[in-house]
Amino acid sequence: DAKTTQPNSMESNEEEPVHLPCNHSTISGTDYIHWYRQLPSQGPEYVIHGLTSNVNNRMASLAIAEDRKSSTLILHRATLRDAAVYYCILNGGGSNYKLTFGKGTLLTVNP
Amino acid sequence: NAGVTQTPKFRILKIGQSMTLQCTQDMNHNYMYWYRQDPGMGLKLIYYSVGAGITDKGEVPNGYNVSRSTTEDFPLRLELAAPSQTSVYFCASSFRTSGGVVEQFFGPGTRLTVL
Repeated sequence: DAKTTQPNSMESNEEEPVHLPCNHSTISGTDYIHWYRQLPSQGPEYVIHGLTSNVNNRMASLAIAEDRKSSTLILHRATLRDAAVYYCILNGGGSNYKLTFGKGTLLTVNP
Repeated sequence: NAGVTQTPKFRILKIGQSMTLQCTQDMNHNYMYWYRQDPGMGLKLIYYSVGAGITDKGEVPNGYNVSRSTTEDFPLRLELAAPSQTSVYFCASSFRTSGGVVEQFFGPGTRLTVL
C-alpha cells in the first residue's frame, strides 16, 4: 500500500474551520483516499473517502489535489466533539479490503 | 442494529494464561478484522477473514489464533499470554461497495493487560 504522511498534531478553536493535510506522493491511479477518526477511548469511525473529485458529506469535506499527491480533510466548524486522531489511508479497492493505519493527526479543539 | 460488539471490555491476565476475545457483528458483512493498538500508535492488523471458514494472517499474528465458523462471529484466541500482548484490541467488519470501496465498522475495543 502507498504511504501517507500527516502532521503529528494540530490545534483549532471551536466553531472555526479545520484543514487536516495528508501527503501521498506515491498514490496509484486506483487508490481511494479514506479518512477515519478515532475519538478518545473509542474505535475508529469512517469519515469520508474519495478517488479524484472533491467529496462532501454530513461530517466533512475532502479536497483532493489535481495530481492526487495530497488531500485535505475539511471540518467546516470544529466542535469539541471533533477532538480526535484523524487517519488518512489509501486503499486500492477491488480485492484489497485491508486498511493500513498510521499514527494519524491528533486534533485538539480549544473552547 | 447493534453493529460490532466486543466482550469483555476489560481483562487482566497473568503471564501464561489463555483467553478468547469475542466479536460479533449483525450487519451481515463478509469481511472481519482484528487489530491491536498500543499506546500512541496506530492500529496493527492481527488477522482478517473474508468469509465464514476463511481466515488469513495480518501484520502481527504471532501469539494469536482466530476462527470464523459463522458470518457473525470472529473470536480471537490468545494462547500463553505475554506482557507484550498488553494492548487495546479492536474488532471490525466491512462491506465493499460495487465500486470496490471498503468501509470498516469498529467495535468499542477490549483493553487487555498481561501481568
